[in-house]
Amino acid sequence: GDSVTQMEGPVTLSEEAFLTINCTYTATGYPSLFWYVQYPGEGLQLLLKATKADDKGSNKGFEATYRKETTSFHLEKGSVQVSDSAVYFCALGDSGGSNYKLTFGKGTLLTVNP
Amino acid sequence: ETGVTQSPTHLIKTRGQQVTLRCSSQSGHNTVSWYQQALGQGPQFIFQYYREEENGRGNFPPRFSGLQFPNYSSELNVNALELDDSALYLCASSVDSYEQYFGPGTRLTVT
Repeated sequence: GDSVTQMEGPVTLSEEAFLTINCTYTATGYPSLFWYVQYPGEGLQLLLKATKADDKGSNKGFEATYRKETTSFHLEKGSVQVSDSAVYFCALGDSGGSNYKLTFGKGTLLTVNP
Repeated sequence: ETGVTQSPTHLIKTRGQQVTLRCSSQSGHNTVSWYQQALGQGPQFIFQYYREEENGRGNFPPRFSGLQFPNYSSELNVNALELDDSALYLCASSVDSYEQYFGPGTRLTVT
């Protein structure tokens, strides 16, 4: 079945540092890919998405490119802020079924220090 | 535009009891999905409702059941609660797509 593997956290960075969170996936078809963010005590918020190979999703300075050849969707940001501290989840949309199920990775905790 | 809301926020139940969690979907959204998020883990798909019919189910036992109402709000029911059911339960709504909008969740503790 479909699965998502994210880099293990926690990740601790200083403000203005470069961020990369790795995500790879296994899927039988052509899934849509997502990054969600969860701030402390809150639900998940959609950060960005890509629906086909070579698409780049971007939002709030974050970017991720759908790489079919490496089955990856790594999240990047050039200069992180303290307010980016949160848990980040990579997810894929069910590629073989008839519903809109999301499969999530385990999440990566990011802490940004001033 | 009102987002996805869930009630209650927190709940404490005893093993063996039954619980009902509620979700109001975002205006205009016809699909509701429920996820279980154990501490330190990613959300796991429980099931999805589309226009009042179950439209897919994850690897959860039958004691997890649900409903969707004509206004597209939804309930998640869990019977015979077990300690491992302690988790954050997330509801997400969407319109015929994977782009799902999540509520803040209900934190269930089973003692």
